[in-house]
Amino acid sequence: GAVVSQHPSWVICKSGTSVKIECRSLDFQATTMFWYRQFPKQSLMLMATSNEGSKATYEQGVEKDKFLINHASLTLSTLTVTSAHPEDSSFYICSARAIETGGHYEQYFGPGTRLTVT
Amino acid sequence: ILNVEQSPQSLHVQEGDSTNFTCSFPSSNFYALHWYRWETAKSPEALFVMTLNGDEKKKGRISATLNTKEGYSYLYIKGSQPEDSATYLCATPSGGSNYKLTFGKGTLLTVNP
Repeated sequence: GAVVSQHPSWVICKSGTSVKIECRSLDFQATTMFWYRQFPKQSLMLMATSNEGSKATYEQGVEKDKFLINHASLTLSTLTVTSAHPEDSSFYICSARAIETGGHYEQYFGPGTRLTVT
Repeated sequence: ILNVEQSPQSLHVQEGDSTNFTCSFPSSNFYALHWYRWETAKSPEALFVMTLNGDEKKKGRISATLNTKEGYSYLYIKGSQPEDSATYLCATPSGGSNYKLTFGKGTLLTVNP
């Protein structure tokens, strides 16, 4: 099956610093990747859609200058949390989209990154 | 914004029990319904994608049904095992070229040995 890696799996940083999270599709090419955020006891909330070679599309309420997304290749998308604050502490998870037999899309997820901002 | 609801939020069963839980979604403009299994510290794993009303899919001891007219899907686990312990997520796409998924909050299943 399709494998997506995510790095780091957890990170602690100080307020005001920036943190970069990488999402890689290991055995398939993904023109589209997604970034989600999950707060405790809540559902996965889509932050943005990352398209290879073009600008990301952000969901309403997500600050694009705060959450920088780069999708420079067909196997790598990065999310940079800039000038992190404690309220940015959360679980971030990416997925890579693939077209399955039958024509429907499937998303393959990374294992997620736990970010704690102190 | 789509509203996807899952119930119950959590349940505990004994090894060997069969169990089921529900995913509710808007029945209008339905396109597909995805089920994922998410074990702690691992990646969510795709279980099923269902598109047709009346669909029933099976993977080992896990099966799922779909009712698009009333907007619900059931996930069944027969003879639960401790390794079935996980959060089960359902999601439905909003359609369009990006195929963005809206997720429910999940059902946390704990199977006691």
